[in-house]
Amino acid sequence: EVQMVESGGGLVQPGGSLRLSCAASGFTFSAYGMNWVRQSPGKGLEWFSYIGSTTSTIYYANSVKGRFTISRDNAKDSLYLQMNSLRDEDTAVYYCARSLSIAANYLDSWGQGTLVTVSS
Amino acid sequence: EIVLTQSPATLSLSPGERATLSCRASQSVSSYFAWYQQKPGQAPRLLIYDASNRATGIPARFSGSGSGTDFTLTISSLEPEDFAVYYCQQRSSWPPLTFGGGTKVEIK
Repeated sequence: EVQMVESGGGLVQPGGSLRLSCAASGFTFSAYGMNWVRQSPGKGLEWFSYIGSTTSTIYYANSVKGRFTISRDNAKDSLYLQMNSLRDEDTAVYYCARSLSIAANYLDSWGQGTLVTVSS
Repeated sequence: EIVLTQSPATLSLSPGERATLSCRASQSVSSYFAWYQQKPGQAPRLLIYDASNRATGIPARFSGSGSGTDFTLTISSLEPEDFAVYYCQQRSSWPPLTFGGGTKVEIK
């Protein structure tokens, strides 16, 4: 069974940092591109980062570019998100999500999400 | 950035009724288009990709159609578990991947 479990969320002050992890199992992690998507309370979905299977391809949305860093460790079947200079508007549930295939970035499997709250 | 506009924002229907959800793209996305379902407290679930292909395990009552800028998700006969929020997504021109604002299907 494909499974992804996020961790590392919590309460952080504006300007602070946080590192999220996503542990994957049930599939060949190294063969798939991975994404981070977030959802602010009561709002819609916002994609903001992608990393290819071999890390050679990385994309960010403008909203997080320069502040967030996506990375992965294929030996540990894990995806990471380093978040710096956090703002109030970064408050959201953060999901890791697998790309359906190399050629098709549809998100076919999702973790349960981890809540990040940015507040003083 | 391609903007996706979903309509209606809320759809009030009874179990057994047919649901028709729409999504319009600000420019053509060909058939590079998907639909997701999200229930309260849960992660989204991929329903339809490439506009009309059902994802693994998705019941046949869900169908997708459209190409270019106008897309439709149809649920032929609503089951109690289908009452949820539905999002559309395009991958034609990314980054960024973009999602629509969602349509809530609620029990009438």
